[in-house]
Order: sequence, then C-alpha cells, then structure tokens
Amino acid sequence: DQQVKQNSPSLSVQEGRISILNCDYTNSMFDYFLWYKKYPAEGPTFLISISSIKDKNEDGRFTVFLNKSAKHLSLHIVPSQPGDSAVYFCAASGVYSGGGADGLTFGKGTHLIIQP
Amino acid sequence: GAGVSQSPSNKVTEKGKDVELRCDPISGHTALYWYRQSLGQGLEFLIYFQGNSAPDKSGLPSDRFSAERTGGSVSTLTIQRTQQEDSAVYLCASSLSYSPNQPQHFGDGTRLSIL
Repeated sequence: DQQVKQNSPSLSVQEGRISILNCDYTNSMFDYFLWYKKYPAEGPTFLISISSIKDKNEDGRFTVFLNKSAKHLSLHIVPSQPGDSAVYFCAASGVYSGGGADGLTFGKGTHLIIQP
Repeated sequence: GAGVSQSPSNKVTEKGKDVELRCDPISGHTALYWYRQSLGQGLEFLIYFQGNSAPDKSGLPSDRFSAERTGGSVSTLTIQRTQQEDSAVYLCASSLSYSPNQPQHFGDGTRLSIL
C-alpha cells in the first residue's frame, strides 16, 4: 500500500507560469516532508522541506504548503523556468515511516515539463 | 568532490553472480542510507546506518542482501546470487546526523543490470 502518492505522473507548464505539484499521504505518523528534484542519470537533489508544525515554507521560487488535516502537501514553483524540467519526488519521514525509523518514504514522482 | 560518491556507476552481471556496491558519504555525515529504484517505481528504502551500526535490517528485500559500514564512512551493499528482479538503480544518501528532520543528500546511484 502506497503511503505517499503523487497522482500526476506528468505535468506540463508554460515558462513563467506557476507549477503546482501535489502529494498525498496516508500515514498520520509522518511529521517531516521533503521535495526532491531529479534529472536523468543523477541522484535526487534536495529542494525544500517542511515540518508538520508548519503549514508553509518558502525558499526563493519554491514554496511548500502542508495541509495536515487533508494529509496533503504541494510544491509551488513560480515563475517556472526551463531548468525546472525534471522529475519531482515527494518524500515523508517519521518515527513509523516504515522500513526503519529514518528511511524516507517516497512517492513515484511527477515529471514536470516547462514549455518555452 | 563534496557530494556522496557511488561506484561503480553502472554494473552488468550475469544472474547468480555476487555484486558489491560502494558508497562514500559526505565527509562528517554520520548517517548513511541505501535505497533502490526499480523501473517506473519510486525510491524504496533498504537500510540505514548510524555510525557503523544498522539497527533495522527489515527493509532489505531478501537474505541475499547485506550491507556494512566501517570506520563510520564508506559503506558497501552486497547482493549474493543475483536475480533479474534485482535490476534497479541503487542509491545511497547521507545526512549530517541521525534525525528524521535532517535532509538526506543522494549520490548519483549505481545502475545494476542482471542478465
């Protein structure tokens, strides 16, 4: 059973517009959430994170929103740039994240394509 | 470099052979993690080390998989009697300390192909 779900395998956005990537989770024990960006043949690169005690965290063009009651988080990228084209993974951790106390549980990713 | 280093970057081997994958974490990072990504799937957590100790091995897919870490630095993931379903990208990550709130930084992975 997938505990972290990214329901959109791909998303196409025009350059300069806002990209919104969504993620849902089922395990209420998760208390820390992260977004990673991955280019082909490279490892995931950490982008931004948010603790469950917050509902928003901003870093430059990237903002992560957390809605705990809905078990939903989203990553906003604005304005979107061509270099943002990549696969974005949502990940979660907590004491009972499964497979060990500190192993991240990942979604399957969303392929973001920025159109010029 | 300053990042997590993994070797080899690619490995092709015949079914039934043993393979050893290596991870060199970021200097000073005490926690180290192994994941794998099969085709079309998300990253699957395998095992973590706090220092040289791996408290929980339940994430390893089978008893053919083992991992060790010596000197609190380099780690090796060994797969014995490889099977075709072991084909995947194996990723290593490290973090500054043992804490769920510390971001994990990943290497570029080892792409393992079992013929």
